[in-house]
Amino acid sequence: EAGVTQFPSHSVIEKGQTVTLRCDPISGHDNLYWYRRVMGKEIKFLLHFVKESKQDESGMPNNRFLAERTGGTYSTLKVQPAELEDSGVYFCASSQSGWKAFFGQGTRLTVV
Amino acid sequence: GNSVTQMEGPVTLSEEAFLTINCTYTATGYPSLFWYVQYPGEGLQLLLKATKADDKGSNKGFEATYRKETTSFHLEKGSVQVSDSAVYFCALSKVSGGGADGLTFGKGTHLIIQP
Repeated sequence: EAGVTQFPSHSVIEKGQTVTLRCDPISGHDNLYWYRRVMGKEIKFLLHFVKESKQDESGMPNNRFLAERTGGTYSTLKVQPAELEDSGVYFCASSQSGWKAFFGQGTRLTVV
Repeated sequence: GNSVTQMEGPVTLSEEAFLTINCTYTATGYPSLFWYVQYPGEGLQLLLKATKADDKGSNKGFEATYRKETTSFHLEKGSVQVSDSAVYFCALSKVSGGGADGLTFGKGTHLIIQP
């Protein structure tokens, strides 16, 4: 069974540019989560989808971040325009039962 | 708000040594507690969990007991192996008895096991 897949694994962009991160959850998992780890700090929750609906987006830092989940399958997280403080590792996770989440390897975003 | 404090590494041990990674938390209510592990080049994996006070989670020789009186969830293993080298994250759920949504993580502890 394929795990959670994230693309790209690493992205380097200039301040002000736009970047889109993609997450493919495990097939059949209704719950999809985005987390972020800024260098030297804790992994922070960003938002939670149940199928295509946003269940909880209380962790989204500001309106430069837009998350979507088309048809309840894969999800994208767009940062527009990117700022230096957006640099970090973005993790996606999915689960079916709610308590056991499977995480992807993460996308390392560097804004220069 | 919720917070998790765990010892920061790196923690370096010899193979077969006893391991303890401390984790304490601050939360309202009775959250579920988790340990996640990230091996080099891989995503986070759930290692073990406990959903109520005095529960003991265990997996792969690792154990952790939910201690409400000390608000702790320390990770232990009696005899570590080189393959246990990884980063370990303590985490708690957003709501009482909750699961993977809105987890609060600690900063992670980098464990290095030397042969």
